[in-house]
Amino acid sequence: SQQGEEDPQALSIQEGENATMNCSYKTSINNLQWYRQNSGRGLVHLILIRSNEREKHSGRLRVTLDTSKKSSSLLITASRAADTASYFCATDGVSNTGKLIFGQGTTLQVKP
Amino acid sequence: DTEVTQTPKHLVMGMTNKKSLKCEQHMGHRAMYWYKQKAKKPPELMFVYSYEKLSINESVPSRFSPECPNSSLLNLHLHALQPEDSALYLCASSQGRARGTGGYTFGSGTRLTVV
Repeated sequence: SQQGEEDPQALSIQEGENATMNCSYKTSINNLQWYRQNSGRGLVHLILIRSNEREKHSGRLRVTLDTSKKSSSLLITASRAADTASYFCATDGVSNTGKLIFGQGTTLQVKP
Repeated sequence: DTEVTQTPKHLVMGMTNKKSLKCEQHMGHRAMYWYKQKAKKPPELMFVYSYEKLSINESVPSRFSPECPNSSLLNLHLHALQPEDSALYLCASSQGRARGTGGYTFGSGTRLTVV
């Protein structure tokens, strides 16, 4: 079963613009993670935010978490053509089972 | 070594074949996972191994049989698969609960086609 929804499903922007992706989830979490996937290959871990954190930065990435709304957002600033990929949020629940459940994903296209 | 290595990268098998997917990591991670991903869909969890023991089986059909020979290796044995089992199979590892939560490291996957 999947944890939640990502919005938008697809996003197309010009190089240099910012890209924002949103993720909603359904159950209480221990942490929320964002991953990138290029061309249907392996996923790359981008950033992890814990349930007691509200915002986190890593390079051009900014992640926010609102546990009251069960939602998160990923902002990529000054996008590059190389950022073209699918982006997934994934939640690690509080039940201590080790299950990482993925959202539906956002496909980002950055045009040069 | 900060990678998860999966072999083979591509596999075509008939419905009566037996094959195995292999996954290896040398990061000292104590949790390993198999995920299945269909085109344009998110990865779906299949199995979780924690400290070499199967801790989660997400109601996966018995034609998929996982094995964890040691802390670095994870196999997925395939037998009598159906065409709808064609997908990208991803292996991942993480430090595991006892050593704190953290991001997962994924392999590049095995693209499986069942004919």
